[in-house]
Amino acid sequence: GEDVEQSLFLSVREGDSSVINCTYTDSSSTYLYWYKQEPGAGLQLLTYIFSNMDMKQDQRLTVLLNKKDKHLSLRIADTQTGDSAIYFCAEFLSLSGNTGKLIFGQGTTLQVKP
Amino acid sequence: DAGVTQSPTHLIKTRGQHVTLRCSPISGHKSVSWYQQVLGQGPQFIFQYYEKEERGRGNFPDRFSARQFPNYSSELNVNALLLGDSALYLCASSLGSAGGELFFGEGSRLTVL
Repeated sequence: GEDVEQSLFLSVREGDSSVINCTYTDSSSTYLYWYKQEPGAGLQLLTYIFSNMDMKQDQRLTVLLNKKDKHLSLRIADTQTGDSAIYFCAEFLSLSGNTGKLIFGQGTTLQVKP
Repeated sequence: DAGVTQSPTHLIKTRGQHVTLRCSPISGHKSVSWYQQVLGQGPQFIFQYYEKEERGRGNFPDRFSARQFPNYSSELNVNALLLGDSALYLCASSLGSAGGELFFGEGSRLTVL
């Protein structure tokens, strides 16, 4: 089946690290993504990782991928109030003919307290 | 460089009407995908177009249709609108059709009364 699961809510203190977790279903997914959505806005691509990688770091963001457990995580270091948003995990599911679609989780609402 | 642009940003329609939403991808990107995001949920795949051809279709009724033009811009059309079509419609742009960097626009928020 096509199902990406995330916890719905996370609350952290400003300056702490945030870790958002995600599990996906398709072991053949080639790319996995993290998007950020602020109220009333579209999706901002934060980072993505190719399936042959275990880790990717980009400034304050660290993505860890465990293919065996189909588990993806996003760590935000030194979380700021501006990081408050909904974070979506998505897997790229291949269709026929070298195309595909994104399957999204329900999103994790990150609340950052000052 | 301009990102993915969508129009209109907001619109209100009544049941039974039709709507056309537009998307311009990032310059050089040849793939456009459409997603529907109902309030409180993650986006759901509607269509993918690559090089002006439909390459994928999600589980949506035939009331939903789309096309891609020679300049790679795209339109999403929805006929016979239902209350349940109220959602944020998102367009995604990518260089190729098989993943990689996928950028979204700000969306078109449709309200059906």
